[in-house]
Amino acid sequence: DTAVSQTPKYLVTQMGNDKSIKCEQNLGHDTMYWYKQDSKKFLKIMFSYNNKELIINETVPNRFSPKSPDKAHLNLHINSLELGDSAVYFCASSQDEDGWTQYFGPGTRLTVL
Amino acid sequence: AQTVTQSQPEMSVQEAETVTLSCTYDTSESDYYLFWYKQPPSRQMILVIRQEAYKQQNATENRFSVNFQKAAKSFSLKISDSQLGDAAMYFCAYRSPYSGGGADGLTFGKGTHLIIQP
Repeated sequence: DTAVSQTPKYLVTQMGNDKSIKCEQNLGHDTMYWYKQDSKKFLKIMFSYNNKELIINETVPNRFSPKSPDKAHLNLHINSLELGDSAVYFCASSQDEDGWTQYFGPGTRLTVL
Repeated sequence: AQTVTQSQPEMSVQEAETVTLSCTYDTSESDYYLFWYKQPPSRQMILVIRQEAYKQQNATENRFSVNFQKAAKSFSLKISDSQLGDAAMYFCAYRSPYSGGGADGLTFGKGTHLIIQP
């Protein structure tokens, strides 16, 4: 039973397209996150979402938008994709009673052509 | 803002030997959490070990242990009896418990690529 799942695992698309990545967690956690891992393996927080409060990393372009239909899901929508958006995107979740330990999904490798 | 520095881009160790990965961080907070995550070629991010700053005792998980030096802001990871399956990128990460009601992310170092020589 996967704790944090993401779909798709691979996504290849053309510049200018709009795409979404889905994330679901079955851990009952209150907080979910999106991270971006660049080609040099550097991981950086993009968003966190807790009880309908969204905290956005100020460096994230507004072409990226998270959408949370319920506590167990946090999807990532990307508009007008650019070459520089190519990266691995990780979803994660955490709970404060667990010392804010983050549990990660398997990642989605996005390639923009 | 907090920063995390991993000064060793790559480390190599013989199988069954011990290796220590370095991590330093910069913060003005007195309470926080520190983590080591492992990322094998499968890309999955796997929690290795966690340390709460208010705990003086160093965390251990089987062959993995940390040397937490709060005053020096150092958090190194020791892997004993290295195994081929330990080969991976290792990331040190910092988490503040204070900001945004907890809705804040981890701050990661740039990672250390660990190679295990058979």
